[in-house]
Amino acid sequence: QITLTQQAESLWVSPGEKVSITCRASQSLLYTDGKHYLSWYQQRPGQTTKALIYHASIRTDGVPTRFIGSGSGTDPTLSIEDVQPEDIALYYCLQTLKKPSTFGGGTKLELK
Amino acid sequence: EVQLQQSGPEVGRPGSSVKLSCKASGYTFTDYVLNWVKQSPGQGLEWIGWIDPEYGSTDYAEKFKKKATLTADTSSSTAYIQLSSLTSEDTATYFCARSWDWFAYWGQGTLVTVSS
Repeated sequence: QITLTQQAESLWVSPGEKVSITCRASQSLLYTDGKHYLSWYQQRPGQTTKALIYHASIRTDGVPTRFIGSGSGTDPTLSIEDVQPEDIALYYCLQTLKKPSTFGGGTKLELK
Repeated sequence: EVQLQQSGPEVGRPGSSVKLSCKASGYTFTDYVLNWVKQSPGQGLEWIGWIDPEYGSTDYAEKFKKKATLTADTSSSTAYIQLSSLTSEDTATYFCARSWDWFAYWGQGTLVTVSS
């Protein structure tokens, strides 16, 4: 199965800073259709899990432009520019290229 | 508005079974696959499997093939997961999530506690 490794369990940021969350894949997530089958999710306490990014770089409807998905092949990254207090949450990457779908271990974003 | 409304918390005795539900609204139930995901306390996310409500076809992660059974009722737009032979390892929150190439919409989760 494809393993996704989010190296940082926690990241500390101040409001207004930029932060990047990496998700290393054990193999390329690029399919022959030219799409990367990698997506990013946000979990906040008491709220429904929210999809932020799909196909590695496309924001879902309503997601602020400060959330940026980048990277290709085996090193997708989620960047948050100008971090806001409401961005404090757990973030997960997910690959749906091959069964079983697998998640990264999660990165907790915390305020300094 | 797409919504996935999951059933309330469950307490199951070791060795018993529980059945959780996920009621879909705001879209055509048979147009999308529904996945189930497990989150153990303080842990990350694990994919359990999916069901295609139109055909009733299912697919499971190897680890959950003997643990989980996925079904769907198109008349009520509701998907179900039954967890059997409960052990303490099954104590977790279980989510349903509608997918295409990604898990676009999630339910709020159902907490299952296994306790005697």
